Amino acid sequence: AQSVTQLGSHVSVSEGALVLLRCNYSSSVPPYLFWYVQYPNQGLQLLLKYTTGATLVKGINGFEAEFKKSETSFHLTKPSAHMSDAAEYFCAVTDSGGSNYKLTFGKGTLLTVNP
Amino acid sequence: DGGITQSPKYLFRKEGQNVTLSCEQNLNHDAMYWYRQDPGQGLRLIYYSQIVNDFQKGDIAEGYSVSREKKESFPLTVTSAQKNPTAFYLCASSPPGAGGGETQYFGPGTRLLVL
Repeated sequence: AQSVTQLGSHVSVSEGALVLLRCNYSSSVPPYLFWYVQYPNQGLQLLLKYTTGATLVKGINGFEAEFKKSETSFHLTKPSAHMSDAAEYFCAVTDSGGSNYKLTFGKGTLLTVNP
Repeated sequence: DGGITQSPKYLFRKEGQNVTLSCEQNLNHDAMYWYRQDPGQGLRLIYYSQIVNDFQKGDIAEGYSVSREKKESFPLTVTSAQKNPTAFYLCASSPPGAGGGETQYFGPGTRLLVL
């Protein structure tokens, strides 16, 4: 069974500092990987995804993530945090074969940005 | 504008009562999903449907039922058998694709509370 681990349920950074949100997955087949963002009492919005090709993926709002197969990781980064980045972030994985409609989500990381 | 709508925004359930959450999409997507979100638990899949008149159980289907009579609509009923229904419910849809990795697009959610 697939699983997703997000290290750190709460990450706090200062405005302008580097944002690093960690995601590790377990999958028996090559995965497709996603990062979503959720603002309070709203639905989820896709930040970026990796399916095939270049392992460094750029997304919206200046975020990017790198797929590292050897480390089974897909960490999310942003060079300089903005107050508007404060939200909850979810990493998700689906198999590239089989039941590829089913997303497995991590438990989420709440990002706080301090002025 | 294309998108996913969920109604109501808040829903109150009395003991022993069935309630139905609405989800409608005008994105012409084939697949639709229902997730339950609890604080610190991430999202868990309740049911999903890849095509009209067909649906499959997700990881936590007990106490829930769905129907898919129209492509645009995927209502979720929370039955009296669901003993702990208080949660944030999210509906999503995704376009068809042979290789998987299609993005799931989320609605704004319905918060269900028990009186």
